[in-house]
Amino acid sequence: NAGVMQNPRHLVRRRGQEARLRCSPMKGHSHVYWYRQLPEEGLKFMVYLQKENIIDESGMPKERFSAEFPKEGPSILRIQQVVRGDSAAYFCASSPPGGGSYGYTFGSGTRLTVV
Amino acid sequence: QQQVKQSPQSLIVQKGGISIINCAYENTAFDYFPWYQQFPGKGPALLIAIRPDVSEKKEGRFTISFNKSAKQFSLHIMDSQPGDSATYFCAASMMDSNYQLIWGAGTKLIIKP
Repeated sequence: NAGVMQNPRHLVRRRGQEARLRCSPMKGHSHVYWYRQLPEEGLKFMVYLQKENIIDESGMPKERFSAEFPKEGPSILRIQQVVRGDSAAYFCASSPPGGGSYGYTFGSGTRLTVV
Repeated sequence: QQQVKQSPQSLIVQKGGISIINCAYENTAFDYFPWYQQFPGKGPALLIAIRPDVSEKKEGRFTISFNKSAKQFSLHIMDSQPGDSATYFCAASMMDSNYQLIWGAGTKLIIKP
């Protein structure tokens, strides 16, 4: 039973480029959550998605960031025109129907470095 | 109001000792308090969690103590082992938005053999 799969594990982008981070939830999980972790800090909630729906994006920066969870395929976190401050670890978690942090399983994260 | 404050930032404990990490919160609407363990290069993994209707929960060598009136909770690791060396995060969520965890800043624990 594969866990939450995130790829790539490491991503290097030059300032101004686009970053695409992918997350495949655990089998049977229909809820996906994205969190960002800056060095030496806890995780910060970004967005909560169900298939084809954004439920809560209150933690997403208003510009350059977007997320989707299509009917088929992984969830995508997209960062346009990256800046140095976007360098962080981005974690995806999934949970079964019914949602809730009680059933969270995290992926191993994507470490984005902007140069 | 939304913060969870965690201390210490780092902790060194001798093998076999007790590791204690503390967290405090302000928002009385929080009703779920998990602790996560994170190894380098990995995602956080749920270690143990508690709700405010109990004052203590124990699972093996790991115990959460919860003080509702003081709005504090702590993680105790008994007989600490080198394999426990990791970063530990406390977190909290509310029933109204139970999908969103508010995280402490983390404690880097080193167990010296």
